[in-house]
Amino acid sequence: AQKVTQAQTEISVVEKEDVTLDCVYETRDTTYYLFWYKQPPSGELVFLIRRNSFDEQNEISGRYSWNFQKSTSSFNFTITASQVVDSAVYFCALKPFSGGYNKLIFGAGTRLAVHP
Amino acid sequence: NAGVTQTPKFQVLKTGQSMTLQCAQDMNHNSMYWYRQDPGMGLRLIYYSASEGTTDKGEVPNGYNVSRLNKREFSLRLESAAPSQTSVYFCASSEADRGVNSPLHFGNGTRLTVT
Repeated sequence: AQKVTQAQTEISVVEKEDVTLDCVYETRDTTYYLFWYKQPPSGELVFLIRRNSFDEQNEISGRYSWNFQKSTSSFNFTITASQVVDSAVYFCALKPFSGGYNKLIFGAGTRLAVHP
Repeated sequence: NAGVTQTPKFQVLKTGQSMTLQCAQDMNHNSMYWYRQDPGMGLRLIYYSASEGTTDKGEVPNGYNVSRLNKREFSLRLESAAPSQTSVYFCASSEADRGVNSPLHFGNGTRLTVT
C-alpha cells in the first residue's frame, strides 16, 4: 500500500510554543518524494517543501524545520516559536516514482490552531 | 502573476444538474490535475492530464469527466450532480509528468454544494 498518515487531527498551542506535526508514509518504491503543503483559512494550498528519498538531511527554513527519517518512514515538520499566522491545515504528501505520473498521495491533514 | 485560476469560487447545484468547473494556468506547465478535498480525507485525485491531448483517471473518477482543451486549460464536468459530490475542488498544475522536483501549484478552489 502507498499511503500517508497524519495521526494528529488537530493541535492547539499558544503563541511562541514549538509544535511538531507528524507524518508517516508507506511506499513500495525506493525512489519517492515527500512534500508539505499549508492551507491557511483563506483556502489556498501553499507548497512548503519537497524532499527526495535519497536526501535524509534535515532542512531548516526560518522557524520551519523538517526531519526526514527513512528508518521510521517519517517526515515530521516542526514550527519553532509558533505565531498566529501559522494557524492552518498542514498536509503531508507522498509521490512514489512508479506509476508514471506526478501523482501525490495526501495525508488527511493536521489542523493547527495557534492562540495569542 | 495569476498562476492557476479556477472558476467559479462557489456553486450550489440541485441533484441531477450539470456543470463545468474551469481551470487555467499561465505557467506553461505540461501537467494538470483535479483534486477534491473532503473533511478528514485530505485531497484525492479525480483526473489528471500529463500533457496536452491526454487525460487519465485518478483515484476517484466516477461521476466526472474532463477535457484538456489546450495546454492552458483543463475543465472538470459533472454530468448529473449528486450530494456525494459536495466538496471543495482544486485544480493544480506542474511542470512535467515525471518531473522529479516539480511541486504542484494549486488554484484557490471551488466550493461546490449539491442539494
